[in-house]
Amino acid sequence: DAGVIQSPRHEVTEMGQEVTLRCKPISGHNSLFWYRQTMMRGLELLIYFNNNVPIDDSGMPEDRFSAKMPNASFSTLKIQPSEPRDSAVYFCASSGLRVYEQYFGPGTRLTVT
Amino acid sequence: AQSVAQPEDQVNVAEGNPLTVKCTYSVSGNPYLFWYVQYPNRGLQFLLKYITGDNLVKGSYGFEAEFNKSQTSFHLKKPSALVSDSALYFCAVAIYGGATNKLIFGTGTLLAVQP
Repeated sequence: DAGVIQSPRHEVTEMGQEVTLRCKPISGHNSLFWYRQTMMRGLELLIYFNNNVPIDDSGMPEDRFSAKMPNASFSTLKIQPSEPRDSAVYFCASSGLRVYEQYFGPGTRLTVT
Repeated sequence: AQSVAQPEDQVNVAEGNPLTVKCTYSVSGNPYLFWYVQYPNRGLQFLLKYITGDNLVKGSYGFEAEFNKSQTSFHLKKPSALVSDSALYFCAVAIYGGATNKLIFGTGTLLAVQP
């Protein structure tokens, strides 16, 4: 298996632009998690899905952030409009029956100027 | 609320020496505890977990962790450190119940192993 796939790996955009991050979980995994990592705040859980349904989005910072999982093999995290304080590394992770053993993707490094 | 604390931002150790990365937890009920490792420019990788049973848990790459209920600790250990162990280590606790199953991560401890 190729593991969790994220794209793009790097994204540089200007303030106010829409940003879409993509994730393909490991085949057969039914839970998917979006995290954000910064030096200041560490690793934060933004939202997670179980069987494509959003279960907990309490970590989503504000309405500018939205996430979807239209099917078991694809999820997106969208920021519209983006702001410089959104600059971070965004990780997607998935897990199967052993829910707590999460497999992380390589991350997307987002820079908003 | 469930939480973990990693009191050390960084741990320095010489290669070949034993290492310990500290973690304490605060949970209601029985804790599910985990260690993850993050190498530079990579996502986190699962190392080991404690759910129940033996207090000494063995994981990947020769790491182990000791669950201590009286001290509410779950320290990560390795008898002999390698330079390649240098990475960021995260302790985590599971929040579970009903439809909610997720991990809460600590702030991370940077382990630097000097040759």
